[in-house]
Amino acid sequence: EVQLVESGGGLIQPGGSLRLSCAASGFTVSSNYMSWVRQAPGKGLEWVSVIYSGGSTYYADSVKGRFTISRDNSKNTLYLQMNSLRAEDTAVYYCASRGRDGYYFDYWGQGTLVTVSS
Amino acid sequence: EIVMTQSPATLSVSPGERATLSCRASQSVSSNLAWYQQKPGQAPRLLIYGASTRATGIPARFSGSGSGTEFTLTISSLQSEDFAVYYCQQYNNWPSVTFGQGTKVEIK
Repeated sequence: EVQLVESGGGLIQPGGSLRLSCAASGFTVSSNYMSWVRQAPGKGLEWVSVIYSGGSTYYADSVKGRFTISRDNSKNTLYLQMNSLRAEDTAVYYCASRGRDGYYFDYWGQGTLVTVSS
Repeated sequence: EIVMTQSPATLSVSPGERATLSCRASQSVSSNLAWYQQKPGQAPRLLIYGASTRATGIPARFSGSGSGTEFTLTISSLQSEDFAVYYCQQYNNWPSVTFGQGTKVEIK
């Protein structure tokens, strides 16, 4: 059974940094395209970043230059390093895997809440 | 950026009735369209991909149709567990995938 478990969220002041983790089981992170998708309180879904199986990375314009996606193959874990955080980054952050037949998301973690506030 | 517009924002339906949700893309996304269900406090769950293919374990009462810019999710006979928010997502313009703003299906 595939499981994705996020951690690392919390309350952080504007301008601060936070690193999110997504630990996978029943699934190999390095063999898949892995994304972070976020959801601001009471709002819709927004794609944030992706790392391809080959290692290429891409970011939404809203986080480019501030967020970095990476993975640790030995730990089968995906990360999102978030720097220069802003109030508008407040959201639940989900890790999600690409589907077998296209760039939709078939497996999702339960999410971790990041609150940026002074 | 491809903008996805869902309608209506809220749909009030009685259990056992049919629900029809719409999703429109600002430009053609071919059949690269997925639908998700999200309940409060939970992660989204994949229902439909390729505009019309049900994901593993999804009941047959969920069906998707459309191509290009106009798409529909139909729930043939609403069950109590189907009251939730539904999102469409285009993945034609990968990696810049985009979601609609959601349709809330509530009990009438």
